[in-house]
Amino acid sequence: DQQVKQNSPSLSVQEGRISILNCDYTNSMFDYFLWYKKYPAEGPTFLISISSIKDKNEDGRFTVFLNKSAKHLSLHIVPSQPGDSAVYFCAASAPNTDKLIFGTGTRLQVFP
Amino acid sequence: ETGVTQTPRHLVMGMTNKKSLKCEQHLGHNAMYWYKQSAKKPLELMFVYNFKEQTENNSVPSRFSPECPNSSHLFLHLHTLQPEDSALYLCASSQDRVSAGGETQYFGPGTRLLVL
Repeated sequence: DQQVKQNSPSLSVQEGRISILNCDYTNSMFDYFLWYKKYPAEGPTFLISISSIKDKNEDGRFTVFLNKSAKHLSLHIVPSQPGDSAVYFCAASAPNTDKLIFGTGTRLQVFP
Repeated sequence: ETGVTQTPRHLVMGMTNKKSLKCEQHLGHNAMYWYKQSAKKPLELMFVYNFKEQTENNSVPSRFSPECPNSSHLFLHLHTLQPEDSALYLCASSQDRVSAGGETQYFGPGTRLLVL
């Protein structure tokens, strides 16, 4: 049973436009959410996070939105750049556990 | 050298071999993790160590044996693996364990393992 789901395996966006990556979760106990980015032959790198007490967190071109009632979070990248082309993973954690639960990832391609 | 390093980067082994994966973090973190990433599957947590003590074993088969001699080093000893164990094995570290606010983890580049 997959608790964190990224239903879009891939996304293609033109440079300068907005990229929206989506993530759904099933465990209502999750209280912290993160996005990681992964380039080929490298490990995932932390991008941005959000606590369940917030519904939005912004860092430069990256904004994460959390809709707790829908158990949905999204990552917005504005404007998208070719260097943003990578696989993006969302992850979640619940209180009192040492586990991060990851989604399967969405491959973003930003073309000129 | 900074960050999290892993060796070897690639490994091919037979089912009767014994090999070890090594991870080293240069970040002064207290928690270290082993993850497995198989094709088309999410990253799967295997083990968690906090201050050298194992705090999580995610029902991993005994043919995978972790070792954490100190907070900077983590090993994964492999023996009698199966072809389905072929995957990317990622090591990560965080300042503290996840339950203590250490959700932000720093990953190494991984070891791509092929079991023949």
